[in-house]
Amino acid sequence: DAGVIQSPRHEVTEMGQEVTLRCKPISGHDYLFWYRQTMMRGLELLIYFNNNVPIDDSGMPEDRFSAKMPNASFSTLKIQPSEPRDSAVYFCASSFVGTGTEAFFGQGTRLTVV
Amino acid sequence: AQKVTQAQTEISVVEKEDVTLDCVYETRDTTYYLFWYKQPPSGELVFLIRRNSFDEQNEISGRYSWNFQKSTSSFNFTITASQVVDSAVYFCALSGRSSNTGKLIFGQGTTLQVKP
Repeated sequence: DAGVIQSPRHEVTEMGQEVTLRCKPISGHDYLFWYRQTMMRGLELLIYFNNNVPIDDSGMPEDRFSAKMPNASFSTLKIQPSEPRDSAVYFCASSFVGTGTEAFFGQGTRLTVV
Repeated sequence: AQKVTQAQTEISVVEKEDVTLDCVYETRDTTYYLFWYKQPPSGELVFLIRRNSFDEQNEISGRYSWNFQKSTSSFNFTITASQVVDSAVYFCALSGRSSNTGKLIFGQGTTLQVKP
């Protein structure tokens, strides 16, 4: 398997613009996670899906953030409108089972909002 | 509440030295899982190991070894005969059974620099 695939790898956008990050999980994995990594807050979970259904979005910072998983092989994280403080590395991860199994991470999307 | 503490922010060693990365965790769950991930300069997160709370056996994989001690709530990671390629940020993480989600609580990470 190719692993978790994220696109784009890098995104530079202007404040106020809409940004969409994409993720293709490992085939057969039932759980999909979106994490954000910043210097100040480290790695934190934003939202996760189980069988394409959002289960916990308590980590989503604001209403400007939204995530969808229309099918088992694709998920998006959207920020609208973007702000400079959204600049971070966004990781998508997937796992076969929830608790107790390792999550496999994509290479991340480095977002810079200017 | 669940928490992972990696007190060592940065460690610098010379190649071939042994180095231990510390990890201390807090959880009220009786069943939980501990992980180590490596983040090399290229940025991806690479899974290294998972350990269940009911299995305190230490593990060795090549130059890597892990020491899990429930009595001290620690899950330390040792690299023997370090190499320049080991230079990376290493994260310890915790997943509690009560969450039933696989959500990982990460420590702040330890940056390891191995000098030639």
